[in-house]
Amino acid sequence: DAMVIQNPRYQVTQFGKPVTLSCSQTLNHNVMYWYQQKSSQAPKLLFHYYDKDFNNEADTPDNFQSRRPNTSFCFLDIRSPGLGDAAMYLCATREAGGIDNEQFFGPGTRLTVL
Amino acid sequence: QQQVKQSPQSLIVQKGGIPIINCAYENTAFDYFPWYQQFPGKGPALLIAIRPDVSEKKEGRFTISFNKSAKQFSLHIMDSQPGDSATYFCAASSGTYKYIFGTGTRLKVLA
Repeated sequence: DAMVIQNPRYQVTQFGKPVTLSCSQTLNHNVMYWYQQKSSQAPKLLFHYYDKDFNNEADTPDNFQSRRPNTSFCFLDIRSPGLGDAAMYLCATREAGGIDNEQFFGPGTRLTVL
Repeated sequence: QQQVKQSPQSLIVQKGGIPIINCAYENTAFDYFPWYQQFPGKGPALLIAIRPDVSEKKEGRFTISFNKSAKQFSLHIMDSQPGDSATYFCAASSGTYKYIFGTGTRLKVLA
């Protein structure tokens, strides 16, 4: 039944050690998103894909990269995590087209940076 | 221009009460306004959404009121229950596949 799957659910990394978070979807949606959510804050959009077209937010640090090898999978790479990158990372998907097509979120990956 | 302002930051009501959460926006290009419910350790889930051509929308115990001229919209939860205790986010979108989220309201419903 799971529609947007994120692995791992919890990730611990060391300061400066690259880390990759993964997201997969069974919905066949062509739009995929990565959000960063810090404690008690709103989700902040990092980037989104429309199919393979990559859209980076202007204030997303260069330290964050993403790959979408196919419709189902999307990866978030943090090249050199800092303490300030500790957060919940949320993947979401939606079908393109109608503005009221629902955005579906995964359960998130909680990243801890030591 | 791209902000969505949400208030209050937190809210405590008794069971059966009607919590009201308010949001305001500036960008008149926004034309879709969803509300999300988020439980601790989970991703947000769509609760209810409205388009600006409608002044009110009800789904079960949840109602959105929309005031286009004031550029404000609000979420009302009728007969609130302890299970409604969660963080609620309003959001706005303008058809670019991007969503601007409000800052969130942490709701606690007392039994």
